[in-house]
Amino acid sequence: KNQVEQSPQSLIILEGKNCTLQCNYTVSPFSNLRWYKQDTGRGPVSLTIMTFSENTKSNGRYTATLDADTKQSSLHITASQLSDSASYICVVSARGGTYKYIFGTGTRLKVLA
Amino acid sequence: DAGITQSPRHKVTETGTPVTLRCHQTENHRYMYWYRQDPGHGLRLIHYSYGVKDTDKGEVSDGYSVSRSKTEDFLLTLESATSSQTSVYFCAISESPDSPRPNGYTFGSGTRLTVV
Repeated sequence: KNQVEQSPQSLIILEGKNCTLQCNYTVSPFSNLRWYKQDTGRGPVSLTIMTFSENTKSNGRYTATLDADTKQSSLHITASQLSDSASYICVVSARGGTYKYIFGTGTRLKVLA
Repeated sequence: DAGITQSPRHKVTETGTPVTLRCHQTENHRYMYWYRQDPGHGLRLIHYSYGVKDTDKGEVSDGYSVSRSKTEDFLLTLESATSSQTSVYFCAISESPDSPRPNGYTFGSGTRLTVV
């Protein structure tokens, strides 16, 4: 069964600190993996996308990694800011068929001053 | 969110009444999706469309119907709303089933629906 699991469920850090969010998946055949940021009351916004051949992708202070062999991805946030407080969702796309997106339940990050 | 608009943003309705949510896009994308988001669950697919008049069910389609009479609009209808359908509903659009472009799969801002 295609699944995406994220950890931790929630995380609290102090402003300026770094953190890493995890995503493990069992989706097959794999096409790509996206990380989304969802602010409270808003729709998810794409941060990064990685295909099978990519193992690192950065977007400002956000760096995503992908290990296709172990089926794991991480999202590293550097020098956190209060505006990073949000839910972060990992979404894995499978190849084949007309619908392919499998969503994780997200990690809720709270950055404190 | 640029290119995709959901309406209404908020709605309160009574049990047993019909409700229609609208998703409008200006990107001319072929694929459109309706999700619901509830605490403790990831986004769950209700229905999706892969072209005008072409739709298919998702994992939580019971109690919902959809219609797509033109490329830009995708309507979600609750024929007889129940309290279990209280949720936040998101529309998404994509140019292809697994677009590799960073903005190849985008979401609207959501509709918060409360059924009392």
